[in-house]
Amino acid sequence: ETGVTQTPRHLVMGMTNKKSLKCEQHLGHNAMYWYKQSAKKPLELMFVYSLEERVENNSVPSRFSPECPNSSHLFLHLHTLQPEDSALYLCASSQALAENSYEQYFGPGTRLTVT
Amino acid sequence: AQSVTQLGSHVSVSEGALVLLRCNYSSSVPPYLFWYVQYPNQGLQLLLKYTSAATLVKGINGFEAEFKKSETSFHLTKPSAHMSDAAEYFCAVSGRSSASKIIFGSGTRLSIRP
Repeated sequence: ETGVTQTPRHLVMGMTNKKSLKCEQHLGHNAMYWYKQSAKKPLELMFVYSLEERVENNSVPSRFSPECPNSSHLFLHLHTLQPEDSALYLCASSQALAENSYEQYFGPGTRLTVT
Repeated sequence: AQSVTQLGSHVSVSEGALVLLRCNYSSSVPPYLFWYVQYPNQGLQLLLKYTSAATLVKGINGFEAEFKKSETSFHLTKPSAHMSDAAEYFCAVSGRSSASKIIFGSGTRLSIRP
């Protein structure tokens, strides 16, 4: 595997379900991110982990719970979601302490549909 | 504070024509600037980046962008559009510290007419 991988690629869940999204980066980076991409809206940064510590939580509802067990893996645990949570969830990674630039590398995303 | 404005949510050009996607930024510190492309049902892929070396930056797939500080712009161009260039393009800005976030624009959808 290379780059940033995300599983599953597609997920349909009911509002009472509990599911998790998984992200893995194979780039040796030390920062990871969750974004939400909804139709006709800008990319929304949800969470940032740097050196396995959460450094940003952009007022995300508690029904989204991130977990970063190590620098290569990031999870997004989902429970009691709402239909408006249906979106493409993108994971990204970067080298947070690089001197020259901090470009992020993205996974293919998980297309989530809440019914 | 930083922000990015992409002018035009949708741009349509003919195959073989010049592609010009506009991006203006606002930053209180010297910025890093990026262009990303997103094909349908995929994540964002880095096209090119400006990090204070040459102001004309060349990227993948024949794209390039020029950093113009006086105009606070970082427009993306390609001399001749291909059908495969049809995608969503995002301009982004960040500061130069490890604590800086990347701020993305709202995106421009590029369509290519045969």
